[in-house]
Amino acid sequence: GAGVSQSPRYKVAKRGQDVALRCDPISGHVSLFWYQQALGQGPEFLTYFQNEAQLDKSGLPSDRFFAERPEGSVSTLKIQRTQKEDSAVYLCASSLVQGMWTEAFFGQGTRLTVV
Amino acid sequence: AQRVTQPEKLLSVFKGAPVELKCNYSYSGSPELFWYVQYSRQRLQLLLRHISRESIKGFTADLNKGETSFHLKKPFAQEEDSAMYYCALSPPGGSGNTGKLIFGQGTTLQVKP
Repeated sequence: GAGVSQSPRYKVAKRGQDVALRCDPISGHVSLFWYQQALGQGPEFLTYFQNEAQLDKSGLPSDRFFAERPEGSVSTLKIQRTQKEDSAVYLCASSLVQGMWTEAFFGQGTRLTVV
Repeated sequence: AQRVTQPEKLLSVFKGAPVELKCNYSYSGSPELFWYVQYSRQRLQLLLRHISRESIKGFTADLNKGETSFHLKKPFAQEEDSAMYYCALSPPGGSGNTGKLIFGQGTTLQVKP
């Protein structure tokens, strides 16, 4: 595809439900990032992958949040037992290499609303 | 602590007026600084990077390490500049820059005709 693709674009979940958010990075991009953006705030770092290895998960807010990238391409962010405070836009970004700076390209985001 | 502060949530100017979007950062080291922009109904995209020292769409930003600031400036605003602007820093890692970004809260720039 032409860019980073995220699905679904919108998700409404009842409190307590589990959700899975998908990110398709740009083909060949080694690095993949997840960010959480609450209403009126800037994006906040959640986790980072280099290929299939999750090298930094320091931003995950609780053990209800889990991310994986098993084949070094598509990534899934899973949130278990969703809470109202999980309502946010979840952004995925990918970049070509790690170890030197290359531009990160962002997806359109998934807007999660927990009711 | 690593932090980026954008003190203005909204900046409203008339077309042709100068623009300055403020950004201050807190980081004990030499991070890389960026400005990202999000136009209405579009995805977040890189506007400029301090190391490149380029002018993009007429915007420039100078890194002032003494004041830990990275303000974004444009001498004459255009209506198409209306967007949300985020200042961000990327901390260097042990094996090079991972690309992880720490964002400010964002400033909405509104350029009136």
